[in-house]
Amino acid sequence: DIQMTQSPSSVSASVGDTVTITCRASQSISSWLAWYQQKPGKAPKLLIYGASSLQSGVPSRFSGSGSGTDFSLTISSLQPEDFATYYCQQANNFPRTFGQGTKVEIK
Amino acid sequence: EVQLVESGGDLVQPGGSLRLSCAASGFTFSTYSMMWVRQAPGKGLEWVSYISRSSITIHYADSVKGRFTISRDNAKNSLFLQMSNLRDEDTAVYYCVREYIDYFDYWGQGTLVTVSS
Repeated sequence: DIQMTQSPSSVSASVGDTVTITCRASQSISSWLAWYQQKPGKAPKLLIYGASSLQSGVPSRFSGSGSGTDFSLTISSLQPEDFATYYCQQANNFPRTFGQGTKVEIK
Repeated sequence: EVQLVESGGDLVQPGGSLRLSCAASGFTFSTYSMMWVRQAPGKGLEWVSYISRSSITIHYADSVKGRFTISRDNAKNSLFLQMSNLRDEDTAVYYCVREYIDYFDYWGQGTLVTVSS
């Protein structure tokens, strides 16, 4: 199975800051990576797919990059509604696996 | 509007069985692969099972293989998860998820399964 490791586990930031979350795969997954946002008590929401493609309706302050084993999600100019937990997920093969999550908290 | 509505979650004793259902609407159900993903209380996301559009291809996480069975009824726009021999560690919110080009683009709101004596 492909292990997905996110860092950091949590980050404190202020409105307007830029936050970058990284995700590392235990083996190459090409660009088969997605990022999801989850708010407390809610279902996850797809933000980025194919490592860097923005899902329809997602604000352009979210961006993704990377390929192979190393990926990142950047949130530019953090907004109050962006405080949430973010997960990466590989779609290269089964079983689909997620990172452990990164909680973005208000400083 | 795409909607996925799960039902069937309940409190069940260890070793018991439960069947989850997901009613899909707002899209052509038969043209999408579907998944179940779960989340234990306070924990991260865990993929559980996958079923292709015509049910030809099915995958399970090792943690549920041999105990859970995924199925679908395209005529009724419904997805199912039959769970048996339930364990404490199966306690979670179970999400019904639509797959679009290998990614999970729509999620239901989830149904809670609690395994406890």
